[in-house]
Amino acid sequence: QQQVKQSPQSLIVQKGGISIINCAYENTAFDYFPWYQQFPGKGPALLIAIRPDVSEKKEGRFTISFNKSAKQFSLHIMDSQPGDSATYFCAASIPGAGNMLTFGGGTRLMVKP
Amino acid sequence: DAGVIQSPRHEVTEMGQEVTLRCKPISGHDYLFWYRQTMMRGLELLIYFNNNVPIDDSGMPEDRFSAKMPNASFSTLKIQPSEPRDSAVYFCASSLRHNSPLHFGNGTRLTVT
Repeated sequence: QQQVKQSPQSLIVQKGGISIINCAYENTAFDYFPWYQQFPGKGPALLIAIRPDVSEKKEGRFTISFNKSAKQFSLHIMDSQPGDSATYFCAASIPGAGNMLTFGGGTRLMVKP
Repeated sequence: DAGVIQSPRHEVTEMGQEVTLRCKPISGHDYLFWYRQTMMRGLELLIYFNNNVPIDDSGMPEDRFSAKMPNASFSTLKIQPSEPRDSAVYFCASSLRHNSPLHFGNGTRLTVT
C-alpha cells in the first residue's frame, strides 16, 4: 500500500525556472513531512521539512506548501539551477514515529542550462 | 564529522551466499536505521535501533534478513542465504534523536546473481 504518492516521476526544467513536485498522502495521522534530495551514488539528504501547523515553509530557494484539507504537500524550487538536478523524495511519518519514514516514489529532476 | 560510513560500497555475490553489510553511525547519534532502495519499491524502512536495541523490525522482509548493533558505533545487516531479489541499494542512516534530521550513508549496492 503506497501511503505517499509523488508526482511527476520525472521533470525537466530550464535554468531559472520553477520546479514543482507534488505529494499526496492517505494517512491523516501523519504529522511530519520532510523532503530529501539524492544525487547519484549518494544517500538522500534532508532538504526541508514541515509540520501541519503551518501552511508554508521557505528556506532559500526551496519552499514547502502544505494543504491539510486536501492531504497534499508540494516542493517548489525557485530559480532552478543545473546543480539542483537530482532525485527528490517526499516522506511522512506519524506522531512519535520520527524517522520511521514512509517515502514517496521519487522525482528525477533535470535542470537544463 | 565523517558522516555515516557504510561498507562495502558495492557487493556482488552468488545466490545462496551470506552477505554482511556494515555501518558506522555518526558519533553520539542514538538512533540507527536500515533502509532499502529499489526501483520497484522505492525506499523502505527495514529496521531501526535506539541505543543499540532493535525497536521495530516489521520491515525486515524475511527470516533470511537479520540486523545487529553490538555497540553504539557499529551495526550489521546480514542476509543468509541471499537471493537475486535482494539486489538493491541498502542505506544506513542515523539521527541524534527520533525526530532529529536523518543522516544517510552513501549506501551499499548489492547485486545477487
